[in-house]
Amino acid sequence: SQTIHQWPATLVQPVGSPLSLECTVEGTSNPNLYWYRQAAGRGLQLLFYSVGIGQISSEVPQNLSASRPQDRQFILSSKKLLLSDSGFYLCAWSVGPGSKTQYFGPGTRLLVL
Amino acid sequence: QQQVKQSPQSLIVQKGGISIINCAYENTAFDYFPWYQQFPGKGPALLIAIRPDVSEKKEGRFTISFNKSAKQFSLHIMDSQPGDSATYFCAAHSGTYKYIFGTGTRLKVLA
Repeated sequence: SQTIHQWPATLVQPVGSPLSLECTVEGTSNPNLYWYRQAAGRGLQLLFYSVGIGQISSEVPQNLSASRPQDRQFILSSKKLLLSDSGFYLCAWSVGPGSKTQYFGPGTRLLVL
Repeated sequence: QQQVKQSPQSLIVQKGGISIINCAYENTAFDYFPWYQQFPGKGPALLIAIRPDVSEKKEGRFTISFNKSAKQFSLHIMDSQPGDSATYFCAAHSGTYKYIFGTGTRLKVLA
């Protein structure tokens, strides 16, 4: 069966510090991978998605970037965090263009102080 | 045209009652409509989903009703239980790789 992991689970970072959040998927090959941000009590904002290694599509121009160095690894980064980067970051995956079901990871709670 | 509008924002239901959450969309190219359930501090979990060629899908106490002509779909939770208290999101698949999410409904079921 497929499993999606995210780490860390919780992160507290000062403004201006760098960020690296990691997501890995097990049990599937060539998944589509997604990063979402969820502000407190709000909906899901799509940040990036990737359909293959090195292929990144950005949905919202901002302080963040994403990379996909391996088939089942998706990384969200920032060089300098802003207060507004605080939120709940969710990684998700789906299998290829034919499957429409999307599955979410457990999330990373980021607090920027 | 890429939005999915969800209502109500919050909902309080007595135990044993029916919870109803509604979503509306504009883009007729949407081809898949899932509902997700999210508990505090957790990632959303797929609850039930429907394709536009089906008018209703039922899984246990959860039912999706789909009205293609009105471009609306809804989630019905029968015999609502306190354990159903969570935030529910509707979504629509946009035909390529993207999913458009509603803004969420916070459901509280009173014991």
